[in-house]
Amino acid sequence: GNSVTQMEGPVTLSEEAFLTINCTYTATGYPSLFWYVQYPGEGLQLLLKATKADDKGSNKGFEATYRKETTSFHLEKGSVQVSDSAVYFCALSDGLAMNTGFQKLVFGTGTRLLVSP
Amino acid sequence: DTAVSQTPKYLVTQMGNDKSIKCEQNLGHDTMYWYKQDSKKFLKIMFSYNNKELIINETVPNRFSPKSPDKAHLNLHINSLELGDSAVYFCASSQDLPGVIRETQYFGPGTRLLVL
Repeated sequence: GNSVTQMEGPVTLSEEAFLTINCTYTATGYPSLFWYVQYPGEGLQLLLKATKADDKGSNKGFEATYRKETTSFHLEKGSVQVSDSAVYFCALSDGLAMNTGFQKLVFGTGTRLLVSP
Repeated sequence: DTAVSQTPKYLVTQMGNDKSIKCEQNLGHDTMYWYKQDSKKFLKIMFSYNNKELIINETVPNRFSPKSPDKAHLNLHINSLELGDSAVYFCASSQDLPGVIRETQYFGPGTRLLVL
């Protein structure tokens, strides 16, 4: 089945450092790709998404490009802040469920980012 | 004005007990979900309902029974709790349409369940 692989965490950076969190996927067809973020004690929030190859999703200084040739959707930010400390989840939209026409999300295991002042 | 709310936030109980977790969304969405996040942070969908109809039912023990009294609520009832049920359970909602590229899902804060 479809799956998402993320780099193991935690990723520990100093403020203003460059961030990359790797995400690769295995899928049939052409899934949409997402990054969700989970701040401490909260639920997941959509950070950005891309719906087709070569699309770039961006939000709050974060970017990720849908690379079909390398089946990747790596998350990047040029200068991280302490407030970016959170767990980041890569996800893809899976195929149709129960022949209903509705898709479901498949998540990676999450990568914890810790940013120190 | 919380968009997706869950109760309780924490739940500690003994093996063999029956418990329920409630979820409500005030976003007017048609689709709601339950996810389980295990100790390794792996997040997996369990169920999804659209307009009170079950649309996704992953391989979940039948001790888990979702109930959707209306499209704003999706509750999760768990019978005969086992140690392996200990996890964080997240509710989510979205405004999905069949065949349309998936819309954003909005997650609740999670319910941390510990079975002793």
